[in-house]
Amino acid sequence: DIQMTQSPSAVSASVGDRVTITCRASQGISNSLAWFQQKPGKVPQRLIYASSSLQSGVPSRFSGSGSGTEFVLTISSLQPGDSATYFCLQHNSFPLTFGGGTKVEIK
Amino acid sequence: QVQLVQSGAEVRKPGASVKVSCKVSGDSFREISWHWVRQTAAKGLEWMGGFDPTDGLITYAQKFRGRVIMTEDSSTDTASMELTSLRNEDTAVYYCMIGMGRTWGQGTLVTVSS
Repeated sequence: DIQMTQSPSAVSASVGDRVTITCRASQGISNSLAWFQQKPGKVPQRLIYASSSLQSGVPSRFSGSGSGTEFVLTISSLQPGDSATYFCLQHNSFPLTFGGGTKVEIK
Repeated sequence: QVQLVQSGAEVRKPGASVKVSCKVSGDSFREISWHWVRQTAAKGLEWMGGFDPTDGLITYAQKFRGRVIMTEDSSTDTASMELTSLRNEDTAVYYCMIGMGRTWGQGTLVTVSS
């Protein structure tokens, strides 16, 4: 199974700050990675697919990069509504595996 | 716009079974990848299994093999997931999702308690 190691597990930042979240795959997964945002009690929402493609309707302050084993989600200018848990999903091969999540808090 | 609507919350006793359904509108389960995922506070998100339209096969996560059955009814555009021999630790929110997370159902809370 491909393990997805996500870091940090939590981050506290101010409005306007740049936030980066990393997912590392235990083996190469090409660009088969998606990023999600989940707010408490809500359904996960896909932000990024194919590592760097922005989902329609998602603000451009969200971006993704990476290929192979290392992937980064960047929030270029943190907004109050971005307080949520973010996680990655690799879909290069079964079993699909998720990162452990990063809780983003607004200072 | 594709939507997934899941069946409602369930409560079961240990050892029982539960079946959760997921109806798609705006697409067909026969032509898209669909998956079942569960979420708990303790373990986060776990992929349970799913359908790959490129080979037409359903693959189950090893952890759930022998305890889970996933089916799809093209006549009603409904996918189902049945989990048997329930344990307390199966208490979770169960989601169906398609297109590698493009669309998710609203989630179904399954509570296992004696």
